[in-house]
Amino acid sequence: GENVEQHPSTLSVQEGDSAVIKCTYSDSASNYFPWYKQELGKRPQLIIDIRSNVGEKKDQRIAVTLNKTAKHFSLHITETQPEDSAVYFCAALILTGGGNKLTFGTGTQLKVEL
Amino acid sequence: NAGVTQTPKFRVLKTGQSMTLLCAQDMNHEYMYWYRQDPGMGLRLIHYSVGEGTTAKGEVPDGYNVSRLKKQNFLLGLESAAPSQTSVYFCASRASGVETQYFGPGTRLLVL
Repeated sequence: GENVEQHPSTLSVQEGDSAVIKCTYSDSASNYFPWYKQELGKRPQLIIDIRSNVGEKKDQRIAVTLNKTAKHFSLHITETQPEDSAVYFCAALILTGGGNKLTFGTGTQLKVEL
Repeated sequence: NAGVTQTPKFRVLKTGQSMTLLCAQDMNHEYMYWYRQDPGMGLRLIHYSVGEGTTAKGEVPDGYNVSRLKKQNFLLGLESAAPSQTSVYFCASRASGVETQYFGPGTRLLVL
């Protein structure tokens, strides 16, 4: 089955700096890669996603890049703010005959310091 | 439109007890999922359903059973709870043809 590795497990940046979180996946058939943000005690919420036919996608301060050849994708957050502090999860979609199943990375705890 | 809701929010069980977690969605989504979240391990799929009356095993199904008798509800059962099932359980749903999954608020379960 699919395996998704995520690094780093913790990341601390100064407010205003950029943050980068990286994920690799194992199954070349994966074609959808979402990123979720989870604040303490809350549910995961989708912040951005990318499909395999696109190399990069931006939404204001966040962007995701995908390298299909190397099987890795990254989340970039620019001009970080304290409210960006949360756990971020990457995921990869495995297409199966019965239904699409997401495989998640183990998460990155991002802390934005003042 | 409440989205995805979960009942209960928190529960304490003794080893060997049984319980059912309820997930409900009002978005007419075909697909529903149960995950467990443990520290340092991300979200792992327990069981999922592609439609009313159907269920399938995920990555970590042992010790759990599920039912989808109504399209809007997906039940997760623990027949004989074990301390290893202490976790936060999240339900999610998505529409057919759309990859985005929407999560419920979670159920925190403690098994003593």
